Amino acid sequence: NAGVMQNPRHLVRRRGQEARLRCSPMKGHSHVYWYRQLPEEGLKFMVYLQKENIIDESGMPKERFSAEFPKEGPSILRIQQVVRGDSAAYFCASSPPGGLTGYTFGSGTRLTVV
Amino acid sequence: KQEVTQIPAALSVPEGENLVLNCSFTDSAIYNLQWFRQDPGKGLTSLLLIQSSQREQTSGRLNASLDKSSGRSTLYIAASQPGDSATYLCAVDNAGNMLTFGGGTRLMVKP
Repeated sequence: NAGVMQNPRHLVRRRGQEARLRCSPMKGHSHVYWYRQLPEEGLKFMVYLQKENIIDESGMPKERFSAEFPKEGPSILRIQQVVRGDSAAYFCASSPPGGLTGYTFGSGTRLTVV
Repeated sequence: KQEVTQIPAALSVPEGENLVLNCSFTDSAIYNLQWFRQDPGKGLTSLLLIQSSQREQTSGRLNASLDKSSGRSTLYIAASQPGDSATYLCAVDNAGNMLTFGGGTRLMVKP
């Protein structure tokens, strides 16, 4: 059981480029969540997805950010036209339906915008 | 809107001490509360999960308690070791689909 897999671990992008972050949930988990940890700040919820559905995107910035969880393959968090303020650690978590057994987090992707 | 506060923000203790980390939350209608550990530059490791109907959970030298009515949880670490040095995060799940995190307690255990 490989746990929640995120890649890449580190990603460097120039301002204006696109960043794609990938997350494969734990085996048997059908729910995926993305969180962002800005430097010296706490973790903040971004989006909650199930296969082919966005359930709650109340924490997503209104522009440039999007997320998907297709029927096949990993969940993708996409940031278009990155800016320096997007530099952060992005964590993915997964859970079985209901959330009553807690959440398992991946090791994160550290995005640096130069 | 749920708000989660952790005190102290930082704590430095000598090896062997027993210590208590505090977490408070404003909305007591929670599904569960989860304590995590985060090492510098690393991901989150789940330590303990307390369901809303439970009062405490134990794992090894760790014990977490939950008092929903007062909006408080504590994480007790017995006989602390240098390897316990990390940031400890408290997170509350209100609706079964989202965690609200506290700011964390940075723990340093000195040999």
